[in-house]
Amino acid sequence: AQSVAQPEDQVKVAEGNPLTVKCTYSVSGNPYLFWYVQYPNRGLQFLLKYITGDNLVKGSYGFEAEFNKSQTSFHLKKPSALVSDSALYFCAVSRRQGGKLIFGQGTELSVKP
Amino acid sequence: DTAVSQTPKYLVTQMGNDKSIKCEQNLGHDTMYWYKQDSKKFLKIMFSYNNKELIINETVPNRFSPKSPDKAHLNLHINSLELGDSAVYFCASSLSGRSAYNEQFFGPGTRLTVL
Repeated sequence: AQSVAQPEDQVKVAEGNPLTVKCTYSVSGNPYLFWYVQYPNRGLQFLLKYITGDNLVKGSYGFEAEFNKSQTSFHLKKPSALVSDSALYFCAVSRRQGGKLIFGQGTELSVKP
Repeated sequence: DTAVSQTPKYLVTQMGNDKSIKCEQNLGHDTMYWYKQDSKKFLKIMFSYNNKELIINETVPNRFSPKSPDKAHLNLHINSLELGDSAVYFCASSLSGRSAYNEQFFGPGTRLTVL
């Protein structure tokens, strides 16, 4: 069965500092991995995805994520956090194109000035 | 132009009532989804339709019945509402196919409160 774990309910960083939001996954076969962001009272917005190829994936708003097959991880990163990055971040996995997305439990990112 | 829209945005109703939520997408996608987000923000897929055909049906009470009149619309009807149905319901859409990106585009959500 597919599963996704986000070990941190909350991540707090100071503006300008690098941020990392962690994600590990469990899936048979090759995974398709995604990050979504949810701002308060809004729907989810797609940030980036890994399908195949380069392990470092770049996405929207300066975010990037690194796929690590041996550690079954797909951590979200940004070199310099902004206050406006404060939101709820979801990691998700799908085993095939068009397949259902399994979401992690979400990580609340708080960036303080 | 709204890509994925849902109506209503808020829905407050009494236990035992029947209600519907509507979803429309203007992205030309062929696959649509319903997700439920509970009070702890946990997101879980409920249903998925591809070209009006039901392709994902998770363990959801049969009080929930999705209907897709065409590729651009996916509605959710809920019978005999219960307190535990209170949640935010998100509609999403995507393109299927081997050569297509399959990230999903989400609507703004419908906050259902059952009293």
